[in-house]
Amino acid sequence: GNSVTQMEGPVTLSEEAFLTINCTYTATGYPSLFWYVQYPGEGLQLLLKATKADDKGSNKGFEATYRKETTSFHLEKGSVQVSDSAVYFCALSDQGGYQKVTFGTGTKLQVIP
Amino acid sequence: NAGVTQTPKFQVLKTGQSMTLQCAQDMNHEYMSWYRQDPGMGLRLIHYSVGAGITDQGEVPNGYNVSRSTTEDFPLRLLSAAPSQTSVYFCASSFRDPGGYGYTFGSGTRLTVV
Repeated sequence: GNSVTQMEGPVTLSEEAFLTINCTYTATGYPSLFWYVQYPGEGLQLLLKATKADDKGSNKGFEATYRKETTSFHLEKGSVQVSDSAVYFCALSDQGGYQKVTFGTGTKLQVIP
Repeated sequence: NAGVTQTPKFQVLKTGQSMTLQCAQDMNHEYMSWYRQDPGMGLRLIHYSVGAGITDQGEVPNGYNVSRSTTEDFPLRLLSAAPSQTSVYFCASSFRDPGGYGYTFGSGTRLTVV
């Protein structure tokens, strides 16, 4: 079956540091890939997505590139802010039919001033 | 635009009690789902619906029922609460398919079963 593996957290960075959160996946076919963000006490919000190989999703300074050869979708940001502190979830969806979404376990990011 | 509204936000149940978690969306989304979030396990799909009158099981459906009588509403029923159902529950909706459009999530219901 499909699965998503994320790096363990928490990740603690100083403000303006470079962020990478690793995500790799196992899936049959050509899934769509997503990053969701969850701020404290809130539901998840879609951050960015990519639907085919070599696509780059981007939003709010975050980027991730769909790498089929390495089955990866790593999240990056050049300069993090305290307001980026949250839990980040990598996810994939099947192609066709209902397109069930499989989530990773989440990576907590703490940005300190 | 309210998005996805979940009620209640917090609930404490005794073992064996039943209750219904409410979920409503005002975006005319076809797809609706219920997930539970547990530490170290990410989100796991309980039940989902691809339209009014159509529901199906996810990966952890036991102990839960759903119905979808309207496009807007997708309630989740706990039949006889157990401590293992202590969790945070999220309702999510999507316009056509969550793989193409992504999900809009509610703010969650934190349930404790004692």
